[in-house]
Parts: sequence; structure tokens; C-alpha cells
Amino acid sequence: DAGITQSPRHKVTETGTPVTLRCHQTENHRYMYWYRQDPGHGLRLIHYSYGVKDTDKGEVSDGYSVSRSKTEDFLLTLESATSSQTSVYFCAISESGGASYEQYFGPGTRLTVT
Amino acid sequence: LAKTTQPISMDSYEGQEVNITCSHNNIATNDYITWYQQFPSQGPRFIIQGYKTKVTNEVASLFIPADRKSSTLSLPRVSLSDTAVYYCLVVDNQAGTALIFGKGTTLSVSS
Repeated sequence: DAGITQSPRHKVTETGTPVTLRCHQTENHRYMYWYRQDPGHGLRLIHYSYGVKDTDKGEVSDGYSVSRSKTEDFLLTLESATSSQTSVYFCAISESGGASYEQYFGPGTRLTVT
Repeated sequence: LAKTTQPISMDSYEGQEVNITCSHNNIATNDYITWYQQFPSQGPRFIIQGYKTKVTNEVASLFIPADRKSSTLSLPRVSLSDTAVYYCLVVDNQAGTALIFGKGTTLSVSS
């Protein structure tokens, strides 16, 4: 299995509080992604990174920001969490972009905003 | 953005062949169509990818017609362990970096 870890694995937070999720990889892959998974919606891309300090928005980026200061770490921040951001968040990595390159997914973070 | 459509669920028995079709429009003309499998409480895992015609690997086949408006994942002789959610993944034609997953098809295999 690809070396991808996510932390925390579970988090409960209150509406309006900031939350940061971390994705760490040991594969030295260039691309990193953050997805959210919700019933009836499948996986939706939030943000992705194509290199250190290089990031771009995905389909559902509103309310989220990201940072990548090192190749191995990709952080997802919810500046002010809302109940609509209750979801399972997956990090993924790939050698390059597009659908042509296999993505390796982390174990997921279950976030509950009360 | 590109839109994808997959059946929500499918049922099968062990030993049967299962075909799951994903319809997709406005996808990038120069990128692959990829399928992933997901078990409960795990992240998705790559199964197979293709550009056109037919691709086969040790676990599945993928059929893509010339117009690339759909793709069909074929699982030969399924077993109970194939019970999972299956997703197609395409790239949007307009926003070339936009990765679009289908909403997933839940396959239930019974004995």
C-alpha cells in the first residue's frame, strides 16, 4: 500500500471553529488531492496540488483552503466549519495529473460539525 | 463540468459476470477513463483504465466505444469479495484539470 496517512482520523467540532486536516505521504508523488465523500454525491474534488506551493480549486472549493509547504504534506483548512461540511474527507496522491495516473487514497477522516 | 451517470445499485450472484456502465459527456478528448473500487471504511482503489476500445487486466475488462460517451466495467465471475462501490472517473473537457467521479454503483454479490 502507498504510504499515505491522514490525521486526525475522526474529529467532532462545533460550528464556527477552524479545523485543519493533514495528509502526509512518503511516496514523493507530485500531485496531492483532497476529496469529500457524501451519500448520494460520491467523491467530489475540493482542492489539489501539483507541487510545493502550487494549488488549484476543484469542484467544491468554497469554504476550504489548502497549503502545501513540503512535498510530503498537504493541509486542508476549514476556516469556519459549518454543518454542511460534515463529511468523510479523503486525501489522494498521484505521480502526475489527470485521470491517466493512478491515484492512491488515504484511509479518510470522518469530520462531524455540530 | 462533465456529467457522469451510473446505476445506483446492482445485485448479482457468485460466478456471474457483472457489467456496470457509466455514461459521461463533455469529457476531455485526450485523457483516460478510470474505474475505482471502494470497500466500506476504506479509500477507493484503482481497478482499470482505458482510452478507447477494450482493455483487460487480471481483475476486470473495460469497454469504451469510439464516441467515448460511456464506458462499461466488466467483472467476470464475481465473488462475495467483489461486493463494493464502483466509481468511474473522467476529466472535464473544459477545465482540463477537473477530475469528476461518478456517484458510484453499489454492487451486492450473494451466494
